Amino acid sequence: GNSVTQMEGPVTLSEEAFLTINCTYTATGYPSLFWYVQYPGEGLQLLLKATKADDKGSNKGFEATYRKETTSFHLEKGSVQVSDSAVYFCALRGNYGQNFVFGPGTRLSVLP
Amino acid sequence: GAVVSQHPSRVICKSGTSVKIECRSLDFQATTMFWYRQFPKQSLMLMATSNEGSKATYEQGVEKDKFLINHASLTLSTLTVTSAHPEDSSFYICSARDRVNEQFFGPGTRLTVL
Repeated sequence: GNSVTQMEGPVTLSEEAFLTINCTYTATGYPSLFWYVQYPGEGLQLLLKATKADDKGSNKGFEATYRKETTSFHLEKGSVQVSDSAVYFCALRGNYGQNFVFGPGTRLSVLP
Repeated sequence: GAVVSQHPSRVICKSGTSVKIECRSLDFQATTMFWYRQFPKQSLMLMATSNEGSKATYEQGVEKDKFLINHASLTLSTLTVTSAHPEDSSFYICSARDRVNEQFFGPGTRLTVL
């Protein structure tokens, strides 16, 4: 079945540092890939998505590229802020409108 | 963009009581709604899928008699936790899928059972 693997956290960075959170997936066909962010005590917010190979999703300075050859969708940001502290979930959804499969989440803490 | 709301956002109840959580799609019709459960510091686990006017489909290991789901209209689904116990304390998140298969998540409901 489909699955998503993320780098384990927590990740602690200083403000303005470069961020990478690795995400790899296993799926049949051509899934859509997503990054969701969850701030403390809140629900999930869609951060970005990509629906086909080589697509780059971007939002609020974050970006991720759908790499089919490496089955990866790593999240990056060039300069993190304290307000980026949250839990980040990588997720996929099968190309036949199947249910979401979420990774375990990576907690990011950005220190001033 | 499409908005999904949940009510209440937080609820505290005594053990043995039942709690109802509402999930509404505010500006679109949801052909399918989903209920997830999230334990502290863990990922979301799908509990059940419901289609308007039909019975919900529960994931393996989820007790359908304990977690009653009603999807009475294209904009409303409810999850009732019956005879709640402390181990049911969790963060419950609903999600709604529209007619073009886009899926949107609600803000979650934190249930604490004393």
